[in-house]
Amino acid sequence: SQQGEEDPQALSIQEGENATMNCSYKTSINNLQWYRQNSGRGLVHLILIRSNEREKHSGRLRVTLDTSKKSSSLLITASRAADTASYFCATGRANNLFFGTGTRLTVIP
Amino acid sequence: DTGVSQNPRHKITKRGQNVTFRCDPISEHNRLYWYRQTLGQGPEFLTYFQNEAQLEKSRLLSDRFSAERPKGSFSTLEIQRTEQGDSAMYLCASSETAPWDTSYEQYFGPGTRLTVT
Repeated sequence: SQQGEEDPQALSIQEGENATMNCSYKTSINNLQWYRQNSGRGLVHLILIRSNEREKHSGRLRVTLDTSKKSSSLLITASRAADTASYFCATGRANNLFFGTGTRLTVIP
Repeated sequence: DTGVSQNPRHKITKRGQNVTFRCDPISEHNRLYWYRQTLGQGPEFLTYFQNEAQLEKSRLLSDRFSAERPKGSFSTLEIQRTEQGDSAMYLCASSETAPWDTSYEQYFGPGTRLTVT
């Protein structure tokens, strides 16, 4: 079974708005990663946050991590049509990653 | 282009046939992973290699599946006697070597979409 679960399953927003996606996981982690997948393509790594970090930024992305609640959130600010994709959180160890089912984000121009 | 490449990108086969996919990882990466992804789901781990050694296999990897990385560079994933349930996107990824208790960024290829008719 997959460890991470994203919420919501689907999100539709207007271009320029912010998008927030949440991820919950089950066991203790050393880090958590977020990936993006455009339709029918491979995944692209967005950001990695370590268990001793609470917040991390990368461009228009902001990730938070709450290990006490076993949850993380990904915020995309000032969304663009090109941000339309599925977003996955992933946890795991060196040997493999466990992915959630993803949040399907649609940004309407 | 120094990214992860996969071939073929698409494969249509009849049930019962064998298929083989190839993955070329980023050259400096010692670790190579195979995942399977079905529609509407996240990738599911199948197996991984540290150099040429296959160190872990998921229970999803039935006896009909076999993966190799003979020289620690490219890898192949073979499915024998394909079934309709094998229809999925097969993703390959590579990464630097990580300590056992943590994970590093994985670089994914574009995937091979398998359709079994």
